[in-house]
Amino acid sequence: SQQGEEDPQALSIQEGENATMNCSYKTSINNLQWYRQNSGRGLVHLILIRSNEREKHSGRLRVTLDTSKKSSSLLITASRAADTASYFCATDGGNAGKSTFGDGTTLTVKP
Amino acid sequence: EPEVTQTPSHQVTQMGQEVILRCVPISNHLYFYWYRQILGQKVEFLVSFYNNEISEKSEIFDDQFSVERPDGSNFTLKIRSTKLEDSAMYFCASSQNMASNTEAFFGQGTRLTVV
Repeated sequence: SQQGEEDPQALSIQEGENATMNCSYKTSINNLQWYRQNSGRGLVHLILIRSNEREKHSGRLRVTLDTSKKSSSLLITASRAADTASYFCATDGGNAGKSTFGDGTTLTVKP
Repeated sequence: EPEVTQTPSHQVTQMGQEVILRCVPISNHLYFYWYRQILGQKVEFLVSFYNNEISEKSEIFDDQFSVERPDGSNFTLKIRSTKLEDSAMYFCASSQNMASNTEAFFGQGTRLTVV
């Protein structure tokens, strides 16, 4: 079954450093989305990247997608303490209504 | 900015009771979803809903669960005869369409605690 898996599970960095999180999945997709979740809160959509796209930027966020390797990465540049959160990738697997989420990466940015 | 709103933010219920979780999707969206996240685990798809009927449901979404759009704005998830293992954060989401390039907007969630 399709599944997004993020690594690392946890990442701790200093403010100002870059954070890179990876996501792997198993089956073909139409798109892959990255979400952020602050502790105990809702999911905030960050970026959607389509299967025919290789890279996408949004502010300090850069997402890459390699469909041949079935993997994606999320890069947060010049991290801030406020970036501390869990980050999830979600794949649609041909049905954009049903997203399959990964386990998430917990990012801690130390001031 | 339009947002998906969910009420209540936290619900505590006795085991065996029925609960109704409420959601107001974004007004021009046509597709609605429920997900749940058990504490410390991943977000899991429950059900998608379009044109007043279920489009797809997961194995989790058994006869204990039902969804309804009782009026033009609300989208509800009913859980009958709650069990301890139903304790989770329940997220509602909506999207404008189900095309492959559509973003789903999530609410802040309802934390359900079954005691």
